[in-house]
Amino acid sequence: GAVVSQHPSWVICKSGTSVKIECRSLDFQATTMFWYRQFPKQSLMLMATSNEGSKATYEQGVEKDKFLINHASLTLSTLTVTSAHPEDSSFYICSATRPGQGIEQFFGPGTRLTVL
Amino acid sequence: KQEVTQIPAALSVPEGENLVLNCSFTDSAIYNLQWFRQDPGKGLTSLLLIQSSQREQTSGRLNASLDKSSGRSTLYIAASQPGDSATYLCAVKPMEYGNKLVFGAGTILRVKS
Repeated sequence: GAVVSQHPSWVICKSGTSVKIECRSLDFQATTMFWYRQFPKQSLMLMATSNEGSKATYEQGVEKDKFLINHASLTLSTLTVTSAHPEDSSFYICSATRPGQGIEQFFGPGTRLTVL
Repeated sequence: KQEVTQIPAALSVPEGENLVLNCSFTDSAIYNLQWFRQDPGKGLTSLLLIQSSQREQTSGRLNASLDKSSGRSTLYIAASQPGDSATYLCAVKPMEYGNKLVFGAGTILRVKS
């Protein structure tokens, strides 16, 4: 159990367009989902924390109007990169926690975004 | 602010060697520490999770230790294999930040056959 999927696994888009990335918990209901980004040869940096039905909490320095997060159900969270630019190119990874077991985060496989 | 450092940044060893990866953190007020494996272009696989009250955890050829007071953890890999080649990430869950994880930059391991 505790499988998290992401879609798409990779995406290439033109500068100025918006891109939506989905994160799903396949076999459990996720109380909380997290979005991270990872630049090449760097560590994961937390972008935001989202709880179902409420607004996401963004980390300092992350533009909430640029990175829109919607946690519409207990199994789905989406990250939309609006008006993407080349500097947004990165590896985006989500994770989720299970109800009553908030200690451990289960990670998705990641989405590689390339903005031309 | 919690900071996590991993040493070395990269390591290359011949197959069969035992090796140690190091992780240090600046604030000892943590709930737990976790070691992950990340293959190129892939997500994270959890290897071992050590609660703050524990000293070590073992899984197969992997053994992780935690010295919370000194802010250190080590991941010991016995009899390394080429399939162990990956990036190993250390992350702590600080008490201050609720459910957040703070990651180190990772150690890139290459095991040569």
